[in-house]
Amino acid sequence: DAGVIQSPRHEVTEMGQEVTLRCKPISGHDYLFWYRQTMMRGLELLIYFNNNVPIDDSGMPEDRFSAKMPNASFSTLKIQPSEPRDSAVYFCASSFALTGANVLTFGAGSRLTVL
Amino acid sequence: DAKTTQPTSMDCAEGRAANLPCNHSTISGNEYVYWYRQIHSQGPQYIIHGLKNNETNEMASLIITEDRKSSTLILPHATLRDTAVYYCIARNAGGTSYGKLTFGQGTILTVHP
Repeated sequence: DAGVIQSPRHEVTEMGQEVTLRCKPISGHDYLFWYRQTMMRGLELLIYFNNNVPIDDSGMPEDRFSAKMPNASFSTLKIQPSEPRDSAVYFCASSFALTGANVLTFGAGSRLTVL
Repeated sequence: DAKTTQPTSMDCAEGRAANLPCNHSTISGNEYVYWYRQIHSQGPQYIIHGLKNNETNEMASLIITEDRKSSTLILPHATLRDTAVYYCIARNAGGTSYGKLTFGQGTILTVHP
């Protein structure tokens, strides 16, 4: 298994531009999570999905952020318009519910820099 | 979720056991203790979890006190590659918010030669 795959690994953009981060979860996993990590705030859960349905988006900072999961093998996190304070590493993770435990497998992350 | 408290940083000599403590004095009966770690520039990695009994896997051992108010993660023979931030999380394995894991600041473990 290739694990959780995220793209791009690095993104540098200018303030005001739209940013789209992509995630392919592990096949068969029915939970998908988006986290953001900064030095100041650590690892924050932004949103998570179960069977492609958003369950909890209380961590999404504001309306500029949106996440979708059109099918079981793909999710996007979009920021429009981007701001310098959105600079962070964004992690996607997935898990298999029937394990009965919160064993999340994380991707390598997408490092976003907004100038 | 129960609050967990960990030391900010710890050191360990290579080849020795690393014992990382975690306090979770308000843990409830159905909350598991999870340990994850994050090596620099990588995504967090699951290590081990437990409810009441001590657990061991190929990576580490987890010792949970009888009153469940604290636990210790043990890396039996630490290597330089074990240098990472270690997160202890107390979480209900089920419930309406199943799956949601909240990470604290963790313990920075530095393994030195």
